[in-house]
Amino acid sequence: DQQVKQNSPSLSVQEGRISILNCDYTNSMFDYFLWYKKYPAEGPTFLISISSIKDKNEDGRFTVFLNKSAKHLSLHIVPSQPGDSAVYFCAASAGRDDKIIFGKGTRLHILP
Amino acid sequence: DADVTQTPRNRITKTGKRIMLECSQTKGHDRMYWYRQDPGLGLRLIYYSFDVKDINKGEISDGYSVSRQAQAKFSLSLESAIPNQTALYFCATSDSQGLDTGELFFGEGSRLTVL
Repeated sequence: DQQVKQNSPSLSVQEGRISILNCDYTNSMFDYFLWYKKYPAEGPTFLISISSIKDKNEDGRFTVFLNKSAKHLSLHIVPSQPGDSAVYFCAASAGRDDKIIFGKGTRLHILP
Repeated sequence: DADVTQTPRNRITKTGKRIMLECSQTKGHDRMYWYRQDPGLGLRLIYYSFDVKDINKGEISDGYSVSRQAQAKFSLSLESAIPNQTALYFCATSDSQGLDTGELFFGEGSRLTVL
């Protein structure tokens, strides 16, 4: 059973506009959430995280929103840039001492 | 030089062969992980280790074994490789004591093809 779900395999967004990537989770014990970005032929790199005591965390152009009641989080990228074209993975853990479980990823294409 | 180094980067082998993928890190992290990536399936956790004497199964450990030889080294073995183990394998580390607790640092990946 998939505990972290990214239901959109791909997303295309015009350069300069907002990219919104969505993630749902089923395990109510998850309380720490992360987003990773992956380019071809490279390992994933950490982007931004949020703990369950917050509902928003912002880092430059990247903002993650957490809705615990809906078991949903989203990553907003504003404005979208060509270098943002990559696969984005949502991940979660039941605390910082637990293993990290990933979703299937969403491929983001930024269109010129 | 990469902080998390995986060898080999590419390997082609035959069904039934024993394969070892090695991972070494210079980050001084205590925790190490092995994930595999398959198209459409994302990253799935195979095994993880929180220190030298600790080994834990992940989501898909069947057909794999691991060895944590030292804090800096974590190897993944396929005792008898089969074609559906063809995938991109990633090693990752994290630090239980640092400010970035919870964040994983990944190697560049090892592409394994089993014929």
